Amino acid sequence: GESVGLHLPTLSVQEGDNSIINCAYSNSASDYFIWYKQESGKGPQFIIDIRSNMDKRQGQRVTVLLNKTVKHLSLQIAATQPGDSAVYFCAENIPQSNYQLIWGAGTKLIIKP
Amino acid sequence: DGGITQSPKYLFRKEGQNVTLSCEQNLNHDAMYWYRQDPGQGLRLIYYSQIVNDFQKGDIAEGYSVSREKKESFPLTVTSAQKNPTAFYLCASSIDRGNEKLFFGSGTQLSVL
Repeated sequence: GESVGLHLPTLSVQEGDNSIINCAYSNSASDYFIWYKQESGKGPQFIIDIRSNMDKRQGQRVTVLLNKTVKHLSLQIAATQPGDSAVYFCAENIPQSNYQLIWGAGTKLIIKP
Repeated sequence: DGGITQSPKYLFRKEGQNVTLSCEQNLNHDAMYWYRQDPGQGLRLIYYSQIVNDFQKGDIAEGYSVSREKKESFPLTVTSAQKNPTAFYLCASSIDRGNEKLFFGSGTQLSVL
């Protein structure tokens, strides 16, 4: 089946800097994308989502960018804080997959003091 | 507080033993899901249920069984046929099967003795 891939398994960022987590997807029919944050030993928490008819969506301190031309998705976290340390997953929905989300392997975000 | 409760947090299985993982939600969601998470990997769908008394296999259903007798409850049984059961198991729910935004429980870590 289709899978969502991540460019970097681990990302280290200085506290206060902006973080950019990237995600590549392979299915041009994907119409919905979602980002989750998972802290150690816990379940994933919803961060932000975006539909394919949009290029950008902003939340509180987070922005998701969607580039359909190159099938690329990114999550930007502004002014990274220690509490942002976690594994971040992107997932895509392919309409033909009966609404089953396809998950990437995750990127671990490490915050340096 | 509304949410999804998984229990137990940690579970150990002996050779040849069936074990059942509990998942309860009070969000009044129709759809519920079970995922398996292995270290360094994304989530893989085991089973999902769109409505009471109905459930469907996901990508890795072999060695697992579920039931959905009540809207609030979706227990997962890991049977002795599952030869590599050690993993982190996550239960999730969504308003309905067409709503991709999932709400997750805190997970159950299953290990083999």
